[in-house]
Amino acid sequence: GNSVTQMEGPVTLSEEAFLTINCTYTATGYPSLFWYVQYPGEGLQLLLKATKADDKGSNKGFEATYRKETTSFHLEKGSVQVSDSAVYFCALANAGKSTFGDGTTLTVKP
Amino acid sequence: GAVVSQHPSWVICKSGTSVKIECRSLDFQATTMFWYRQFPKQSLMLMATSNEGSKATYEQGVEKDKFLINHASLTLSTLTVTSAHPEDSSFYICSAREGTGGEKLFFGSGTQLSVL
Repeated sequence: GNSVTQMEGPVTLSEEAFLTINCTYTATGYPSLFWYVQYPGEGLQLLLKATKADDKGSNKGFEATYRKETTSFHLEKGSVQVSDSAVYFCALANAGKSTFGDGTTLTVKP
Repeated sequence: GAVVSQHPSWVICKSGTSVKIECRSLDFQATTMFWYRQFPKQSLMLMATSNEGSKATYEQGVEKDKFLINHASLTLSTLTVTSAHPEDSSFYICSAREGTGGEKLFFGSGTQLSVL
């Protein structure tokens, strides 16, 4: 079956620090990969996605590259801001269903 | 971008009552909607997949008679928690997939259900 393993949180960083949230997956076939973000009090929002190997998704300074050889989709940002504080979910979509990771809580301190 | 409206955002009810949660796609047709449940500090758990005009497909372990799903139109799916009990208290989120075959999901803002 499909599964997504995300780096455990919570993660606490100072403003302008470099962020990496690891995500690895198992799936049959060729899934699409996503990062979703859930800001406090809000629902999930799609942050970025990649649909095939070596694709790089990017948005709002965040990036993630679909690495089929390592079955990974790590989320990175070069300089985080306080407003990036949220829960980040890695997810895959395969055969019409989505599988989510456990979510990683990021707190960015001024 | 596409918007999915979920209502209510929170509800408190007495044990034994039923609660209906609505999920609407506001500016696109959603042939498929998904219902998730989220426990504190845990990931979303897919409960069921709802296809317009047909019966929902429930995930293993989810009681279909307790969690009634209706997807009567291309823009509306409802989840009814029947005879709610305190253990049903949770955060329920719906998502909708635009068109057919697309993987992109749009999420509602969620419903926090508290059963007293």
